[in-house]
Amino acid sequence: AQSVTQPDIHITVSEGASLELRCNYSYGATPYLFWYVQSPGQGLQLLLKYFSGDTLVQGIKGFEAEFKRSQSSFNLRKPSVHWSDAAEYFCAVGPPVQAGTALIFGKGTTLSVSS
Amino acid sequence: NAGVMQNPRHLVRRRGQEARLRCSPMKGHSHVYWYRQLPEEGLKFMVYLQKENIIDESGMPKERFSAEFPKEGPSILRIQQVVRGDSAAYFCASSPRSGGEGTEAFFGQGTRLTVV
Repeated sequence: AQSVTQPDIHITVSEGASLELRCNYSYGATPYLFWYVQSPGQGLQLLLKYFSGDTLVQGIKGFEAEFKRSQSSFNLRKPSVHWSDAAEYFCAVGPPVQAGTALIFGKGTTLSVSS
Repeated sequence: NAGVMQNPRHLVRRRGQEARLRCSPMKGHSHVYWYRQLPEEGLKFMVYLQKENIIDESGMPKERFSAEFPKEGPSILRIQQVVRGDSAAYFCASSPRSGGEGTEAFFGQGTRLTVV
């Protein structure tokens, strides 16, 4: 079955510290991979995506993610967290080519930033 | 280029009433997806539509829920005879195509439905 697992429900990091949010997926083929961020009461904003090529992808707001095929993982990282990064983060997978298949989301990781 | 527009942002309905949620995709996007987000949960796919066609409604409850995307106008998610369990955030997303590179979905701000 296709699924996305975000093992950490809630993470707290200090402002200025580094961050890594984990994402593992189960999919029949190499999927397209996404990270979205959701601030309270808001919609989802795309942080970055991976389709092919370089397995280290850069996104907005200083985020990056690395695709590791052998581990079926797509972890999100940021070297120095800012208080404004506090939000909920969702990893999602999508079909490589097949038309009409929607994204599958993980349950999300809530990030809190302490001063 | 305006983003995906959803309205209303907040909707309160009494049990048994109907809820209509509207979504206007981004300009040039002909693929619309509806997702539901329950508290403490990720987004769950409900239905995928193209203009005048329902492509995949495998995530939609069989009863009381329906969706359309007419040739003109926004996509509509309709919930009849709402119950408390329908209380959730409903998100619409659009994309320019449905397969291959460049198919990332752009999300609206969502409609938060509260059933009292």
